[in-house]
Amino acid sequence: AQTVTQSQPEMSVQEAETVTLSCTYDTSESDYYLFWYKQPPSRQMILVIRQEAYKQQNATENRFSVNFQKAAKSFSLKISDSQLGDAAMYFCAYRKNRDDKIIFGKGTRLHILP
Amino acid sequence: GAVVSQHPSWVICKSGTSVKIECRSLDFQATTMFWYRQFPKQSLMLMATSNEGSKATYEQGVEKDKFLINHASLTLSTLTVTSAHPEDSSFYICSVRRGHQETQYFGPGTRLLVL
Repeated sequence: AQTVTQSQPEMSVQEAETVTLSCTYDTSESDYYLFWYKQPPSRQMILVIRQEAYKQQNATENRFSVNFQKAAKSFSLKISDSQLGDAAMYFCAYRKNRDDKIIFGKGTRLHILP
Repeated sequence: GAVVSQHPSWVICKSGTSVKIECRSLDFQATTMFWYRQFPKQSLMLMATSNEGSKATYEQGVEKDKFLINHASLTLSTLTVTSAHPEDSSFYICSVRRGHQETQYFGPGTRLLVL
């Protein structure tokens, strides 16, 4: 069975600094998708970034980038120039290709220190 | 992205009553919608997949007679929590998907409190 593990329940970073959130996953599949979702206090789930496993190039969205290590089954999220609005719960997620089910990690709560 | 709405945003009901939650895809037709629940300080767990015009597919451990799902149109899916009990109190979130390989976009969620 596929699993997603986020080993950091909480993290803090100074405003304008860079922070990296860790995520590892376990799967026997070779074709899948990985996601980072943000859940702010409003609890609206927002897609931050998405990575297709067949792509070697790491996905980037403005200040957000990932370090995708397929062999190590690692998918970390780097947030550069952290802003107060980045404070939220961040969920790493996995979906097998041609499957509907998204498997979420337990989340990492990110605090931004002014 | 995609715009997904849920109604109501929060509901309080008495034990034994039924509650209906609506999920609407506002900017595209969604053949598939998903229902999740999230307990406090926990992650999202998929409850069921709602397919337009056919029966929903429930995850293992989810009672289909308790959580009734209707996906009557390409823009609307409803989740009815029947005979609600306090343990059903949770945050219910729907998501929609444009196509088979597309990303899921989430609604704002519905907080249910059963007294």
